[in-house]
Formats: sequence, C-alpha cells, structure tokens
Amino acid sequence: GIQVEQSPPDLILQEGANSTLRCNFSDSVNNLQWFHQNPWGQLINLFYIPSGTKQNGRLSATTVATERYSLLYISSSQTTDSGVYFCAVDSETSGSRLTFGEGTQLTVNP
Amino acid sequence: DTGVSQNPRHKITKRGQNVTFRCDPISEHNRLYWYRQTLGQGPEFLTYFQNEAQLEKSRLLSDRFSAERPKGSFSTLEIQRTEQGDSAMYLCASSPKRLAGGQETQYFGPGTRLLVL
Repeated sequence: GIQVEQSPPDLILQEGANSTLRCNFSDSVNNLQWFHQNPWGQLINLFYIPSGTKQNGRLSATTVATERYSLLYISSSQTTDSGVYFCAVDSETSGSRLTFGEGTQLTVNP
Repeated sequence: DTGVSQNPRHKITKRGQNVTFRCDPISEHNRLYWYRQTLGQGPEFLTYFQNEAQLEKSRLLSDRFSAERPKGSFSTLEIQRTEQGDSAMYLCASSPKRLAGGQETQYFGPGTRLLVL
C-alpha cells in the first residue's frame, strides 16, 4: 500500500517562530489532508489539499503532487499550536481509506 | 453541534469482556469510517461503510471485531473477548459522497479511548 513519511518527528519552537513540516508519499493521491491532533485526541481538519496551495490565517500548505510531497507552514507560532500534526492520504489503489503518517510532535514554548 | 459524535468517550474494561462503541456521523454523510490509534502512532484504518453497506475491512479487524451501520446513519463497533492489545483510541470519521474529481474530506469525531485491564 501507499507509504507516508513525515518529518521531522519532533519539533520544539519558541513562541513567534516559523516552521515547516513535510509529508512525503509513495504513490499518486486522490486526497491529502493535514490534521492537528489536540491533547485530548481530537483530530482537527486543517487542509484538504491534494494539489496546489492554500492558506488559512497563520497556516498554509502546499502539495506538489508530481513530486509526491506536501508542506505545512506555521508562521508566528503560538503555544496553542502545540500537538501532533498528521498528514493523511488516499490513493486509487487504497480506495477511500486514509493512510496516515506517524506525525510531527510540535511543542511551542512561551 | 453538527460534528461527528462518539460515545462513550472513555471505557475501562477487564480482559475478556465485550465492549460496544457508537458513532453518529455528520447528518447526510453517507460514508462512515472506523480507525484505531495506539500511543505514538498515526490512526490506522479498520473499516468503512457507504450507507448501510460495509465495503472494506482491514486485516487489523480480527473476527473479534464487528461493525454495523443498520440504517445508514449511526454505526456501532463491537469488540468481543477484549484483550490488553485492544487498548487504543477508536476514531470514527464521516464524509459526504465523493464528488466528481475525487474530492472527499473526512471529518473525525473525538474518539473513544479504551483501556483493557
């Protein structure tokens, strides 16, 4: 099946810093979503972005489908940005199931 | 609240007992998914329904697991004869019918955290 790799696995920032999280995938995708999992376990949708660029406030994402990677940018980070960020994809071979990466654990210190 | 809801939010049980979880999807979403997440890992797919039909099951879904969506609305996931290895967060997601071009955003519920003693 499709493989999803996220980097870095852990990231520690000071409040106000910027960061870039990366997601590599091994096959063409129909769907790519970025999620933020809060400390209570809730997966919060950030972006649906199988290709192109989107922005939402301090967050933006870019997916280069032909090169099989996606980037999530966080600018002017805040302590509330802390948590685990997941990339998840589905492909024509995997059907509708989402395959998740192992996530990036982000800690933003005050 | 019009999001995906799951009950109970937490469940502690003894090994060998049966447990059942419920998921209520977003209204009019015809696709419903179950995932399992263990500590430090990303969620893993278990099964999904389109309306009341169970279309796909993962190899992770052993014969002790059964899922239903009897009227194409809410779904239940039952684990029989629980084992300590079943301890995990069980997540439910729903999505509307896949649009032309393949767009399908999945929305997740808050999860049910299971601890098997």
